[in-house]
Amino acid sequence: DADVTQTPRNRITKTGKRIMLECSQTKGHDRMYWYRQDPGLGLRLIYYSFDVKDINKGEISDGYSVSRQAQAKFSLSLESAIPNQTALYFCATSDPLERGGYSEQFFGPGTRLTVL
Amino acid sequence: AQSVTQLDSQVPVFEEAPVELRCNYSSSVSVYLFWYVQYPNQGLQLLLKYLSGSTLVKGINGFEAEFNKSQTSFHLRKPSVHISDTAEYFCAVRSTGFQKLVFGTGTRLLVSP
Repeated sequence: DADVTQTPRNRITKTGKRIMLECSQTKGHDRMYWYRQDPGLGLRLIYYSFDVKDINKGEISDGYSVSRQAQAKFSLSLESAIPNQTALYFCATSDPLERGGYSEQFFGPGTRLTVL
Repeated sequence: AQSVTQLDSQVPVFEEAPVELRCNYSSSVSVYLFWYVQYPNQGLQLLLKYLSGSTLVKGINGFEAEFNKSQTSFHLRKPSVHISDTAEYFCAVRSTGFQKLVFGTGTRLLVSP
C-alpha cells in the first residue's frame, strides 16, 4: 500500500463549486504540504503544516484553505473553484529536520483537478 | 529567497546516449539541492541530493549530479540513458535549516530508440 494517498485522483467540477482534496499518510510524519503543478511552472507550495496545530501559507494560498484533521490527514479546499485552479495537486510529507538539517519529502500520486 | 532555473524545458535524446540536464540556482545562504523525477501519471520521487561534502553525488538509476558553488549549478548527468528514463525531472533548492522546497520548472527528458 502507498505511504501517501490522495483522493480523488481525478475530478472535474464547475466554476463556483466547493471542492475538497484529501491526503492521508501512513509514514507517521508530522509535516505535510500541498503543492500545485502547472505545465511550465513546476511545483508551487500552497500550504504547509508542521503539526496538527501549526498551519502556514505558502507562496500561492489565495483561493485555498486547508484543514489538518489529524497527524495523518491534511485536506485542501477550494471554496469557490475557478478555471485557473485547474492543475495537478500533490500532497507531500516529511519528518522534522534530521541531524544535519535534512528530511526528505515524500509525495503522493497527485490529484488532477479540472474546473470548467 | 531562493530560485531555481532549468533552462531546458525538453531534452530529446537517443537511447544509450549521454545526457545532461541543467540546473542553476540563486541563494544568499547555504542550500541543499535536489533532483526529483516524475514518471508519467505518478508523483515525484527523489533521485539524488546534495547536502554537504563531496560535490559529486550519485543517485538512483545511474544518475549523478555535481554541485558547483562558483557557478551556482547542480547539473544532472547520466552516461547512457534508457527508454525507461523518459520522465520529467525537477531540480529543487532549500535553504539549510528550513523545510520549504523551491522547484524549478522541470525538464522533460524524451528518450527514443
